[in-house]
Amino acid sequence: SYVLTQPPSVSVAPGQTATITCGGNDLGSKSVHWLQQKPGQAPVLVIYYDNVRPSAIPGRFSGSSSGETATLTISRVEADDEADYYCHVWDSTSDHVFGPGTKVTVL
Amino acid sequence: QVHLVQSGAEVKKPGASVKVSCSVSGYPFIDYGISWVRQAPGQGLEWMGWISPYTGKTYYAKNLQGRVTMTTDTSTSTFYMEMRSLRSDDTAVIYCARSQERGGFPFDFWGQGTLLTVSP
Repeated sequence: SYVLTQPPSVSVAPGQTATITCGGNDLGSKSVHWLQQKPGQAPVLVIYYDNVRPSAIPGRFSGSSSGETATLTISRVEADDEADYYCHVWDSTSDHVFGPGTKVTVL
Repeated sequence: QVHLVQSGAEVKKPGASVKVSCSVSGYPFIDYGISWVRQAPGQGLEWMGWISPYTGKTYYAKNLQGRVTMTTDTSTSTFYMEMRSLRSDDTAVIYCARSQERGGFPFDFWGQGTLLTVSP
């Protein structure tokens, strides 16, 4: 089965940049989507198809993917960005797969 | 705007069944399928399956095949997910999420979630 890896946690000071990675075999050949989930709330799509941002998502959120790693970058981090972030791909043998999630803490 | 509204929390005993609904609005019903995703307490996201409202075709996660059935009601723009033979480890928040097709497409809108508690 296809497996995605993410760091369990990332800490960042306000105004700095948070970088969240997602690893998987030949990940660069798949479309990677990123979800933000705040406590007690449903997930929200923040990046899709590796680097496309929905219109309601601030421009501080960006994504990239190459080789075995996809990256979600949050620039000029704000307190409101504190959340769990999940990467998501579709694999032809495993169907929809989510990463284990990364908890972003704003210091 | 696009809205996905789910039915309320459920408490079930082991061995029972549950049926969760997801009523959609703000877009043509048959244009987007629905995936069901669950999240056990303190855990990550787990895909349960997907259904096309156009063809009725379903795809289920391997570990849930035989226990889950997904259906639609075109007249009310509602999707349903039924799970049988419930166990305590089925306790989770269950979400519906919209996507154009089964594979590769993002889940761009989500329901608010339905808490399922399975307890004796």
